[in-house]
Amino acid sequence: DADVTQTPRNRITKTGKRIMLECSQTKGHDRMYWYRQDPGLGLRLIYYSFDVKDINKGEISDGYSVSRQAQAKFSLSLESAIPNQTALYFCATSDLSRAGWGQETQYFGPGTRLLVL
Amino acid sequence: AQTVTQSQPEMSVQEAETVTLSCTYDTSESDYYLFWYKQPPSRQMILVIRQEAYKQQNATENRFSVNFQKAAKSFSLKISDSQLGDAAMYFCAYRSAGSLSFGAGTTVTVRA
Repeated sequence: DADVTQTPRNRITKTGKRIMLECSQTKGHDRMYWYRQDPGLGLRLIYYSFDVKDINKGEISDGYSVSRQAQAKFSLSLESAIPNQTALYFCATSDLSRAGWGQETQYFGPGTRLLVL
Repeated sequence: AQTVTQSQPEMSVQEAETVTLSCTYDTSESDYYLFWYKQPPSRQMILVIRQEAYKQQNATENRFSVNFQKAAKSFSLKISDSQLGDAAMYFCAYRSAGSLSFGAGTTVTVRA
């Protein structure tokens, strides 16, 4: 969905480097999410944010941090990258304001493929 | 945390035929939603279909339909009249009031 963009699309980095993945959305949604995808494991939630002042840890937050700079922007940082953080990272957005949580649909960005050497 | 299991890592189907993907989940909640997402080679995650747990009627979206068996905690996806563009990885997902939990995915190959 072109309304959710992620930069970069691909990134190679070295162990110990700091890296930031960025997500922007033009959908006007209040909720944003970061997932990682590993082969055989599906998608797992790293962090999520219900609005600019509300940030929550997900299933696998260790080694990651996030920043919600504005309603439309949600960044994921790896302070000191390690090889087992090599994965496909997805940002997603959803809008709870217009419906109950059950009607919430998450819209995903195109993903960022990260390789940590 | 809820567990979502997709027992079929790969499925192959002949073009124009039907394929069914299985999904089971474990939960103690009574109110929840289930989803199937499609991930083509472009890596984009695309919502295919959604099912509300309180609805007995199975959801349908064009050639995609589900068989929701709440007591058995089963949520299978049927793709009818398969097309080459259906080739992708398909993820089953569960949501209650918490976050979305995904299965490991099933890769669907469509043979011409």
